[in-house]
Amino acid sequence: GENVEQHPSTLSVQEGDSAVIKCTYSDSASNYFPWYKQELGKRPQLIIDIRSNVGEKKDQRIAVTLNKTAKHFSLHITETQPEDSAVYFCAASKEVGSFGNEKLTFGTGTRLTIIP
Amino acid sequence: DGGITQSPKYLFRKEGQNVTLSCEQNLNHDAMYWYRQDPGQGLRLIYYSQIVNDFQKGDIAEGYSVSREKKESFPLTVTSAQKNPTAFYLCASSIGRLNYGYTFGSGTRLTVV
Repeated sequence: GENVEQHPSTLSVQEGDSAVIKCTYSDSASNYFPWYKQELGKRPQLIIDIRSNVGEKKDQRIAVTLNKTAKHFSLHITETQPEDSAVYFCAASKEVGSFGNEKLTFGTGTRLTIIP
Repeated sequence: DGGITQSPKYLFRKEGQNVTLSCEQNLNHDAMYWYRQDPGQGLRLIYYSQIVNDFQKGDIAEGYSVSREKKESFPLTVTSAQKNPTAFYLCASSIGRLNYGYTFGSGTRLTVV
């Protein structure tokens, strides 16, 4: 099955600097890569996603890049703010038959702390 | 809760007791999922269902059971066979087609007492 590795497990950056979180996946058939943000005690929420036919996607201060050849994708947060402090999870899935997307396999998470 | 509701928010289980966690969605999503979250281990899949009356084991199904009798509901039972049930349990749903992301419930924190 799919295996997703995520690094680093913890990351501290000064407010205003950029943060980068990296994930690798094992199944070359995976074609959907979402990122979730989970604030303390709350549910994970989708912040951005990318499909395998796209190399980069940006939404304001957040961007995701995908390298299918190397089987890795990254989350980039620019101009970080205190409210960006949270745990971030990457995930991967692929389409399976008539059901569409298969289950998501998640990375182990990155705890991002923004230092004021 | 954004269309997917988990209850209760906190649950305490005695040794040897079965407990059932509720998950209900009104998003008309076909697929539903149960994940367990432990510190430092991310989200691990327990069971998932892509259609009513059908479900599949995930990576850590031992000691758990589910049913999917209605599209809206996917309850999870934590049985006495689950030796380390203390965790945060998250239910999610998705359209099930075209690789759309999940919508998560707010979670149930289960503690063994």
